[in-house]
Amino acid sequence: EVQLLESGGGLVQPGGSLRLSCAASGLTFSSYAMSWVRQAPGKGLEWVSVISGSGGSTYYADSVKGRFTISRDNSKNTLYLQMNSLRAEDTAVYYCAKAGDCSTTSCYEDYWGQGTLVTVSS
Amino acid sequence: QPVLTQSSSASASLGSSVKLTCTLSSGHSAYIIAWHQQQPGKAPRYLMKLESSGSYNKGSGVPDRFSGSSSGADRYLTISNLQSEDEADYYCETWDSNTQVFGGGTKLTVL
Repeated sequence: EVQLLESGGGLVQPGGSLRLSCAASGLTFSSYAMSWVRQAPGKGLEWVSVISGSGGSTYYADSVKGRFTISRDNSKNTLYLQMNSLRAEDTAVYYCAKAGDCSTTSCYEDYWGQGTLVTVSS
Repeated sequence: QPVLTQSSSASASLGSSVKLTCTLSSGHSAYIIAWHQQQPGKAPRYLMKLESSGSYNKGSGVPDRFSGSSSGADRYLTISNLQSEDEADYYCETWDSNTQVFGGGTKLTVL
C-alpha cells in the first residue's frame, strides 16, 4: 500500500523559509514523478511543483517560481519542498502526491498524503 | 495552457444519480483529465483518469457507482445510487508537458 507522510509545516513569518518533507513507502519511489499541491483555507486545489523520478526534471507554478525548490532523495524515499521568501498568500495545506501513469513528468496524482499546514503570518 | 471549468455546486437526492461536468478550454478538447474527490476535512482522493474517447481507469477501491464519460470538450463524472459519503468537493485536473491545472471544484450536496 502506498503511503505518503508529509512533515515540516508550521508558522513562519513573511519573508521566512521552511522545508517540507514527504516520506514515501509501498512503492518503488525512484520510478515515479512526485508533486506538491496546495490548498489555501476554504479554497480549491492548486498545483505547485513536480519532479521526475530521477530528479532531473522539475517544473513550477508561476506563483512559486524562483522562490520554491522541489527535490528528492531516492535513497531515502523522500520528497522535499524548500520554500523561501514566503508570503501570506502561501498559507495553505501542502499535499505530497505520487504521479499516475503518464508519459510526461507532468501528470495527474493517483495517491495523496494527508497534508501539512503552512501558515505565513507575523 | 489548458483551463478547466466546473460548476461551483450541485445537489441530488440520496439514492439518485448525479452527473458532474468539467469543460476543457478551446484548443484542448482532446486532453485527458483526472477526477479527484475531497470529503470534508480530508485529503483528496484519486477517482479516475478519463480520456476524450470516454475510456476511463479508476483508482484502487473506487466503487462501481462512479463512472466517467466524455463529449467533445466536456468530461463527466457520474455517481449512481448516491450515498451520504459522496457529499464532497470534486475536482478535475489536466496536465501539459510542464504544467498541471485543476478546475475550481464542484461542491456536491446529497439531499
